[in-house]
Amino acid sequence: DQQVKQNSPSLSVQEGRISILNCDYTNSMFDYFLWYKKYPAEGPTFLISISSIKDKNEDGRFTVFLNKSAKHLSLHIVPSQPGDSAVYFCAASDESPGDKVIFGPGTSLSVIP
Amino acid sequence: NAGVMQNPRHLVRRRGQEARLRCSPMKGHSHVYWYRQLPEEGLKFMVYLQKENIIDESGMPKERFSAEFPKEGPSILRIQQVVRGDSAAYFCASSPHRGAEETQYFGPGTRLLVL
Repeated sequence: DQQVKQNSPSLSVQEGRISILNCDYTNSMFDYFLWYKKYPAEGPTFLISISSIKDKNEDGRFTVFLNKSAKHLSLHIVPSQPGDSAVYFCAASDESPGDKVIFGPGTSLSVIP
Repeated sequence: NAGVMQNPRHLVRRRGQEARLRCSPMKGHSHVYWYRQLPEEGLKFMVYLQKENIIDESGMPKERFSAEFPKEGPSILRIQQVVRGDSAAYFCASSPHRGAEETQYFGPGTRLLVL
């Protein structure tokens, strides 16, 4: 049973346009959400996060929106750049003893020059 | 400040052999997490350790897999009697404190191939 879902395996966007990556979750106990970026043959790199008490967090070109009632979050990248081409993982955590992070399957973003 | 180190980066084993994967956390980090990424899938949590303690191993297969994080030295993920289905990328992450707000920093991973 997948608790964090990313229904789009891949996304292509023109350079300079907005990239929107979507994520849905099923566990209402999740209270912290993260986005990681991963290049081939490397480990995931933390990108941006949001606490469940907020509905928006912005960091430069990256903004994460959280809709708790819909159990949905999205990552907006604007303007998109070719270097943003990577796999993006949505992840969530609750206050379980391990604070383990549950990852979605990832969305592969291609930014076309 | 060196990041999370994992070695080896690539490991080839035949069925029935043992695989040992090492993870050295970032300096000052005492919390280590292991994840597994099967082909075409996301990362799956395996185990969370602090120095000399296993805190949460709910993601570990019940047999053949074990993990440790000794007082001195790296964390070790050990897979006994490997099978082809163990072929995956194994990532280690570390953080300085417990808590969801503490970002986990990932190593480059060990790619295990079982022939």
